[in-house]
Amino acid sequence: DAGITQSPRHKVTETGTPVTLRCHQTENHRYMYWYRQDPGHGLRLIHYSYGVKDTDKGEVSDGYSVSRSKTEDFLLTLESATSSQTSVYFCAINLGGAYEQYFGPGTRLTVT
Amino acid sequence: GENVGLHLPTLSVQEGDNSIINCAYSNSASDYFIWYKQESGKGPQFIIDIRSNMDKRQGQRVTVLLNKTVKHLSLQIAATQPGDSAVYFCAESQYSTLTFGKGTMLLVSP
Repeated sequence: DAGITQSPRHKVTETGTPVTLRCHQTENHRYMYWYRQDPGHGLRLIHYSYGVKDTDKGEVSDGYSVSRSKTEDFLLTLESATSSQTSVYFCAINLGGAYEQYFGPGTRLTVT
Repeated sequence: GENVGLHLPTLSVQEGDNSIINCAYSNSASDYFIWYKQESGKGPQFIIDIRSNMDKRQGQRVTVLLNKTVKHLSLQIAATQPGDSAVYFCAESQYSTLTFGKGTMLLVSP
């Protein structure tokens, strides 16, 4: 699994509550990514990071923020969760090559 | 993840057949293409990649073909096995991000 863990693996939360998902890597890689996966949409990039404190938006960044205060951790925050954010969230890292991304096991988030 | 296969095009093959999964990409400036496999309940797994200056690359039981003229990518799996059953995604890259296709479900029956 290229040393990537995600926590929690499953979460149920109520509309309007804040939620933070954590991605942790043990490989000391510079690039980290957050995706969401929904039926009919495949994987869509939310945010990514190219170094500590360096982040950028992806295709579906509205309603999400990220932080990276140290190399090994990339946090995804839903400030006020909505039902449309019910999804499976995947973290990925780039293993040094420019393009190959390796994925974590995912977090299933349900917003009721 | 679970339910990722809903609403996807599906390819059904018999064990031992060769499988061909196709993908149309959108950005003619993409410089790198990757195929991923995703089994139910797991994250996508890297299979094989190809640079835009190539038209064919072979791996173990897999071959990727790239036709830049029509912006088409294919994944060929030789002697398909039940363990190959999964959803397959193509992805195109420009700079440091990937854009994924919607995926194809491959079902292999014994």
